[in-house]
This record gives sequence, C-alpha cells and structure tokens, in this order.
Amino acid sequence: GIQVEQSPPDLILQEGANSTLRCNFSDSVNNLQWFHQNPWGQLINLFYIPSGTKQNGRLSATTVATERYSLLYISSSQTTDSGVYFCAVTGGGADGLTFGKGTHLIIQP
Amino acid sequence: KAGVTQTPRYLIKTRGQQVTLSCSPISGHRSVSWYQQTPGQGLQFLFEYFSETQRNKGNFPGRFSGRQFSNSRSEMNVSTLELGDSALYLCASSPTGGSNQPQHFGDGTRLSIL
Repeated sequence: GIQVEQSPPDLILQEGANSTLRCNFSDSVNNLQWFHQNPWGQLINLFYIPSGTKQNGRLSATTVATERYSLLYISSSQTTDSGVYFCAVTGGGADGLTFGKGTHLIIQP
Repeated sequence: KAGVTQTPRYLIKTRGQQVTLSCSPISGHRSVSWYQQTPGQGLQFLFEYFSETQRNKGNFPGRFSGRQFSNSRSEMNVSTLELGDSALYLCASSPTGGSNQPQHFGDGTRLSIL
C-alpha cells in the first residue's frame, strides 16, 4: 500500500517562530489532508489539498503531486499551535486514509 | 451544522467483554469510516460504510465489525476484547466517501481495557 513519511518527527520552537512540516508519499494520491490533533485527541481538519496551494490565516499548505510531497507552513507560531500534525492520503483504489506518523510540535512561550 | 458526534467519549471494559461505539455523521453525509489510534501503530483504517453496506475494510481481525443504519448513523462493535484493543477510536464522515473528498472527524471514543 501507499507509504506516508512525515518530517521532522519532533519540533520545539519559541512563540513567534515559523515552521515547515513535510509529508512525502510513495504513490499518486486522490486525497491529501493535513490535520492537527490537539492534546485532547481531537483531529481537526486543516487543509484538503491533493494538489496546489492553499492558505488559511497563519497556515498555508502546498502539494506538489508530481513530486509526491506536501508542505505545511505555520507562521508566527502560538502556544495553541502545539500538538501533533498529521498528513493523510488516499491513493487510487486505496481503502481509507493512510496516515503518517505525525510531527509533534511544541511551541514554548 | 453539527459535526460528527461520537458516543460515548470514554469507556472502560475488561478483557473478554464486547463493546459498541456509536457515530452520527454530519447531516447529509452518507459515508462513515472508522479508525483506530494507538501509540504503537498510529492511526489505522478499520472500515467504511456507505448506504448501509461495508464498502472498504482495513487489516483488522473479524472481532471488529460495524454496521450502518438508514439514517447513516454507524456503530462499531468489538467482541472478545483484548488489552491491545485499548485505543482512541475515531469516526469520520464525508458526503459520498469518494477518495477525492475530505473526511471530517469526530472527537473519538477512548476505550480502555483492564
């Protein structure tokens, strides 16, 4: 099945810093989503972005489908950005979303 | 518009028992998928239901089963519980479940097996 690798696995930053999270996938995808899982376990949709670029406030994402990677940018980090960021994909014919292992982000005040 | 609702939020069971979890999708969504999250295996796809039929299935034993009702609400059942079934169980819904549609997740049911 399709493989999803996220980097870095852990990231510790000071409030106000910018960050880039990466997601590599092993095959062509029909669906790519970025999620933020907060400390209470809630999985929150950030972007649905199988290709192209989208922005939502301080967050933006870019997927280059031909090169099989996606990037999530977080600017001017806040402590509430802490949590685990997951990339998840569905390839053609694949069953359900395949998740990466996540990037654990800690924003220190 | 209400989001995906999962009940109960927390559950404690003992080995050998069975458990049923419930998921109500976003209004108008007809596809419901279930995922298991554990520290060791991460987030894994269990199965998807659409129009009361299981359409896709992940790599889990037959102790894990589900069903979907005519109002699109879904239940997941785990029989003969094992310690390793302790996990956060997440449900997601989408309009028709096509792989080109975003999935929206509920807050999950945290299951602990003693």
